Amino acid sequence: DAMVIQNPRYQVTQFGKPVTLSCSQTLNHNVMYWYQQKSSQAPKLLFHYYDKDFNNEADTPDNFQSRRPNTSFCFLDIRSPGLGDAAMYLCATSPRLAGGNEKLFFGSGTQLSVL
Amino acid sequence: KNEVEQSPQNLTAQEGEFITINCSYSVGISALHWLQQHPGGGIVSLFMLSSGKKKHGRLIATINIQEKHSSLHITASHPRDSAVYICAVRSGAGSYQLTFGKGTKLSVIP
Repeated sequence: DAMVIQNPRYQVTQFGKPVTLSCSQTLNHNVMYWYQQKSSQAPKLLFHYYDKDFNNEADTPDNFQSRRPNTSFCFLDIRSPGLGDAAMYLCATSPRLAGGNEKLFFGSGTQLSVL
Repeated sequence: KNEVEQSPQNLTAQEGEFITINCSYSVGISALHWLQQHPGGGIVSLFMLSSGKKKHGRLIATINIQEKHSSLHITASHPRDSAVYICAVRSGAGSYQLTFGKGTKLSVIP
């Protein structure tokens, strides 16, 4: 049974048209992460939520925003997608943030195409 | 900043072969993850290690903290093992950031 669910699996949007990707989890984990993975590159952390506390990575563009209305759901909003934002977007969760011994649980990802 | 190096970058094996993928890192860590990513797919967490050795089915992961090195072994490889295997490290207690290796693309031929 999928524990971290991302929808949709594939998303196509137009240049400049806002798009929202969603992630839900049944694990009741405190921490949810959003990663961007471009073709043949390692995943790059965009931001994470620890409970309701939002933490933005320093180099995450302002074009990317996130919302976490409750423990189970987290959304990635791209306000004005550019061609360079085409990528796989991965959501992950972990029970806790610190300590170093937390296993990550990944969703299956949303492949975003920008036309 | 931790540098994570994986080798080999690409690996082709015949079905049934024993496979080893290596990961080295430059700075002390609190945990190391081995991840699997199928083409066009999301990431599956295989192992998380902070010391010693773990085994799950045909997969074995080892880590040597002193040498800053980890290996992922696949015994009796199968075409369904074809995927990209990624090593990722978490540097230091309290750090939530993962540093990812570039991955090893494994192709297992029937």
